[in-house]
Amino acid sequence: EVQLVESGGDLIQPGGALRLSCAASGFTVNSNYMTWVRQAPGKGLEWISIIYSGGAPYYADSVKGRFSISRDTSLNTLYLQMAGLRAEDTAVYYCARVIRSGQSNWYFDLWGRGTLVTVSP
Amino acid sequence: SYDLTQPPSVSVFPGQTASITCSGQTLGEKFVSWYQQRPGQSPVMVLYQDNKRPSGIPERFSGSNSGNTATLTISETQGMDEADYYCQAWDSSTAALVFGGGTKLTVL
Repeated sequence: EVQLVESGGDLIQPGGALRLSCAASGFTVNSNYMTWVRQAPGKGLEWISIIYSGGAPYYADSVKGRFSISRDTSLNTLYLQMAGLRAEDTAVYYCARVIRSGQSNWYFDLWGRGTLVTVSP
Repeated sequence: SYDLTQPPSVSVFPGQTASITCSGQTLGEKFVSWYQQRPGQSPVMVLYQDNKRPSGIPERFSGSNSGNTATLTISETQGMDEADYYCQAWDSSTAALVFGGGTKLTVL
C-alpha cells in the first residue's frame, strides 16, 4: 500500500529542537519530490519545505534558517529537523508527495495523517 | 510573495451547485490544484492541473482557470462534500508552493 506515516510530534519548550519523521511505503522517497506542510490550530495549510528528487532543499521564509529537510534512502524516510522553535510553530505537520508535471504543474498527490507539534513553556 | 485569495465560506443547499473561487495575479497562466479537508482528516486532492480528477473523485467535481481566477465547482452537492477546500499553485518566481487561505463549504 502506498502511504506516508509521520511521527515525532511532541510538546516542546520555546527555543527547543525536534525531529519529525515520515516513513514512506509503496514508493521510493528519493525518486520523488517530498514536502512538509503544516496547519496551525484552526488555520489553513502552509507549505514549509520541499526536497527535490535530486536532493536540493527549499524552504518557506517562515522557517528558513531554523528548519532542515532531509531523507534517508535506506529507511525510505523523510525528516524535518526543527530548531529555535516558537509558539507560532505549533501545528499539525504533514508530509506529502509532490508530483511535478512540466515546468509549472506541481501538486500534492499523497498526504500522511500528520503529527502534532506543540510549542509551549 | 505570491498570494491566493479564497472566500472564507460558501453555503449551498443539497443538490445545488457550489462554486469556490481562488484569485491570484495572472493565475490563469499557472496550473491550479484543489484539496478537500474534512474535519480531523488530512487533505485529499480533488482536482489537479486546473480540471483533472484523480481516480476515485466523483465527476461532480470540476474546475476552470482563466485570467486571475480559478473556480472549483461541485454539482449536485451532498452532505459529504461539507469540508474545507484549498486551492494551490506553484510560484516560479519564489520556487514556492502556495496555498489559498481555504474556504469552508457548508451544506445547509
